[in-house]
Formats: sequence, structure tokens, C-alpha cells
Amino acid sequence: EAQVTQNPRYLITVTGKKLTVTCSQNMNHEYMSWYRQDPGLGLRQIYYSMNVEVTDKGDVPEGYKVSRKEKRNFPLILESPSPNQTSLYFCASSLYGTGGSSNEKLFFGSGTQLSVL
Amino acid sequence: ILNVEQSPQSLHVQEGDSTNFTCSFPSSNFYALHWYRWETAKSPEALFVMTLNGDEKKKGRISATLNTKEGYSYLYIKGSQPEDSATYLCAFLEIEAAGNKLTFGGGTRVLVKP
Repeated sequence: EAQVTQNPRYLITVTGKKLTVTCSQNMNHEYMSWYRQDPGLGLRQIYYSMNVEVTDKGDVPEGYKVSRKEKRNFPLILESPSPNQTSLYFCASSLYGTGGSSNEKLFFGSGTQLSVL
Repeated sequence: ILNVEQSPQSLHVQEGDSTNFTCSFPSSNFYALHWYRWETAKSPEALFVMTLNGDEKKKGRISATLNTKEGYSYLYIKGSQPEDSATYLCAFLEIEAAGNKLTFGGGTRVLVKP
């Protein structure tokens, strides 16, 4: 089954304790992206990757790191989490990028609800 | 920062009634508009990708229209059913960001009451 797999679904941690949220897709997509969803705000892009070893900042990259060493995986790393990073996080992928064709629609993971105490 | 607005933020619909809601976006530098449907406890799923002014897309009882000159898109649900209850997200793509960055609206949360 074609899917984007995120883990964990729920995570409670404390300030300053490094964590990684994993994201993997099995559709051979070139484009992958991370978003956070906060009440009253739309999905905001954290980082994106157009291909292996190519990553770039989105709108809210501060406090986050990513890597794209393999095409299928795009982990999100919080080196020193803070309470303002408490949020619902989504990983997403598409075949080539985000554009005007049906091949450029996003496929989303199931989300990770992160709470930083 | 691009301004993509959806209205209303939420609406209640009686089962069987039809409804519609709006996504507003900058009319300049338009490249594409995406619509996604997000059911509670699930992942957002793509409904439509639209690029042409005047375009209309349809998927079952859900359809969308696009006006790029005035910067808005309507999503219509005909004969709403409880399973249509979800948050509907639109996402705007400007030319300069084509290929890499969608800007999402805040969503319209639809609750269909039996």
C-alpha cells in the first residue's frame, strides 16, 4: 500500500531532550516536506527536500533540523525542544514537487502530536 | 507572508443540504491551488489540483471552481452526508515558489448533522 509513515503518533518529552520524528514513504517520491499545525493557524512548512541531499527552509525552520540521505526517509530532528514546539506535525511527499498537476499533490503521513513540557 | 484565507472557519450543515465555502488567495503570481480534505484523526487527503481560471473539478458530490483573476475558489458539497464532516484545506502556490512551497489556509471545518 502506498503510504507515508510517521512515527511516533504521540510523543511527550521535556525541554532540551533531543528527539527525532521519523518519516518514510514507499512511493519513490522525490519531494518531501514537514509541516506543523497549530490551532487557528494553517499548516506551516518547516523544511522541504526536492531530492536526496537537497533540503531547504520553509516558513518556520528555527529549532528544527532535517536530513535526506535516502530518497524514502526524511526525519525531523529537534536538537533542544522547547514548549513552543508543542504542535501537531505532518510529513508529506509528492512525486516531483508541489505544482499544478495531479502528480504534484501531497500525500500526508498520519501526524505526530508532540508535547514539550 | 502570503495571505490565504478560508471562510467560514466552521459551519454546520443538515444532512441532505448543500453547502459551499471560500478560499481567497493573492490574484497575482498565481500558479496553482490545491484542495485537501482532513478528517479527524486521519491524514489530509488531496481532493483537487487546479490551475486554470474558470476551471471546475468534481469528485462525487464535491466540486470546486477557480477564479484566478479575482483570487478565490469555492468548494461545494452537494447533498451533504455525515461522512463529509471534515476540515477542508486550500493551499495556494505562487509562481516563484512553484515546485516547493504551498501556503495553506486555516481551513473550513464542516460538521454534517444527521
